[in-house]
Amino acid sequence: DQQVKQNSPSLSVQEGRISILNCDYTNSMFDYFLWYKKYPAEGPTFLISISSIKDKNEDGRFTVFLNKSAKHLSLHIVPSQPGDSAVYFCAPRDTDKLIFGTGTRLQVFP
Amino acid sequence: DVKVTQSSRYLVKRTGEKVFLECVQDMDHENMFWYRQDPGLGLRLIYFSYDVKMKEKGDIPEGYSVSREKKERFSLILESASTNQTSMYLCASSLGGSRNIQYFGAGTRLSVL
Repeated sequence: DQQVKQNSPSLSVQEGRISILNCDYTNSMFDYFLWYKKYPAEGPTFLISISSIKDKNEDGRFTVFLNKSAKHLSLHIVPSQPGDSAVYFCAPRDTDKLIFGTGTRLQVFP
Repeated sequence: DVKVTQSSRYLVKRTGEKVFLECVQDMDHENMFWYRQDPGLGLRLIYFSYDVKMKEKGDIPEGYSVSREKKERFSLILESASTNQTSMYLCASSLGGSRNIQYFGAGTRLSVL
C-alpha cells in the first residue's frame, strides 16, 4: 500500500523550459514535505521543502506547490538546465521518518 | 558540511555469507537510517535508530539487523545474504526535531551471487 506515489517514472524536457514533477500522497497527517535529487552513483541530496501550513515555497529556480485538499504536491524547475538531469524523490515526513516516493527521472536535453 | 560515509562503494558476496555494511556520520546527529533502493520501488526504510543502542524496524526489516554502539556509527547486518538482497544500500542521518532533513551517504552497491 503505497502512501506516496510519483506516477511519472520519467520526464524529458528541453533546456530552458519548465519541468513539473508531481507527487500524490494518501496520509492527511503528513505535515512536512521534502524533495530530494539523486545523481547516479551518489546519495540523494536535499533540494527544497514545504510545511503543510504553506501552499508554496520558492528557492531560486525551484518552487514547490502543495495542495492539501487534493493531497498533491509538485516541484517546478524554471528554467530547466542539463545539470538538473537526475532522479527526483518526494518525501513526506511521518514523525521522524521520511516516506519516499518511487522517483521521477528527469532528463533535460539541449 | 555534513558528511555521511559508507565504508564500501561496491561489495560482492556469496549466498549465505554474513555481510556488514558500515556507516559513519560526523555531525553528532541523533537519528540514523538504512534504506535500500531498487528500480521502480524508490527508497525503502529497513531500520532506523534514534539513539545509541536503540533501533526501530522500518518497512522491510526481514533478513536484516542493525547495531548502534556509538552515536556516530550505524551498522547494517545481513545475517545470511540472499540473492534478493542484491541492491543499493543507502545510509542517512539527521538531527532530531521538527525539520528532519536527512543527509545521505554515497551508497553501497551490494551484489549477492
